[in-house]
Amino acid sequence: GAVVSQHPSWVICKSGTSVKIECRSLDFQATTMFWYRQFPKQSLMLMATSNEGSKATYEQGVEKDKFLINHASLTLSTLTVTSAHPEDSSFYICSAAGTSVSGSYNEQFFGPGTRLTVL
Amino acid sequence: RKEVEQDPGPFNVPEGATVAFNCTYSNSASQSFFWYRQDCRKEPKLLMSVYSSGNEDGRFTAQLNRASQYISLLIRDSKLSDSATYLCVATHGEYGNKLVFGAGTILRVKS
Repeated sequence: GAVVSQHPSWVICKSGTSVKIECRSLDFQATTMFWYRQFPKQSLMLMATSNEGSKATYEQGVEKDKFLINHASLTLSTLTVTSAHPEDSSFYICSAAGTSVSGSYNEQFFGPGTRLTVL
Repeated sequence: RKEVEQDPGPFNVPEGATVAFNCTYSNSASQSFFWYRQDCRKEPKLLMSVYSSGNEDGRFTAQLNRASQYISLLIRDSKLSDSATYLCVATHGEYGNKLVFGAGTILRVKS
């Protein structure tokens, strides 16, 4: 399968700071990238879908002004957690997929995740 | 009600055992279904797709029943390395590309 990297793999920060997480598709062009969040012992929850060159589409309940997503190229998407607070501590995982044809599923390849701890 | 529901387990089984996991989904518009495997503190990895006709990959067999909105995974001859959390996943959305994950079923295979 294709390779997706994330950086950093873990981060610890103070409350109120902003944290940027990078997601890169290393060997294919990802027209769509997805950002998920997973709290302990819970399922992965989709936060937003981003298509290269356009604004991200956020899932219900996810604050777009708090979780800033940029997908400026076909190989890079970034998630910035602005003014992070302890309740934002979670495992953030991105995935990348090639072009989707309406109604058909295009396999998503997951990054290794970023563990965020906000003190 | 969660969109994808699974028995959280844990299932504790001896090596060599056969174990079955079940999953139900509530959105009848879901188009594709998968089983993923997630190891502790790692990203999920695709185990196999699930089809109505059933599909088998070595020791793993998956089955989909659209009428009852039910998905299953059967693991035969369990290995220690099968210990993980198994995630049931359905897709939805306009492009069928949004993944909805169940909370996972924990499997522990013991020697």
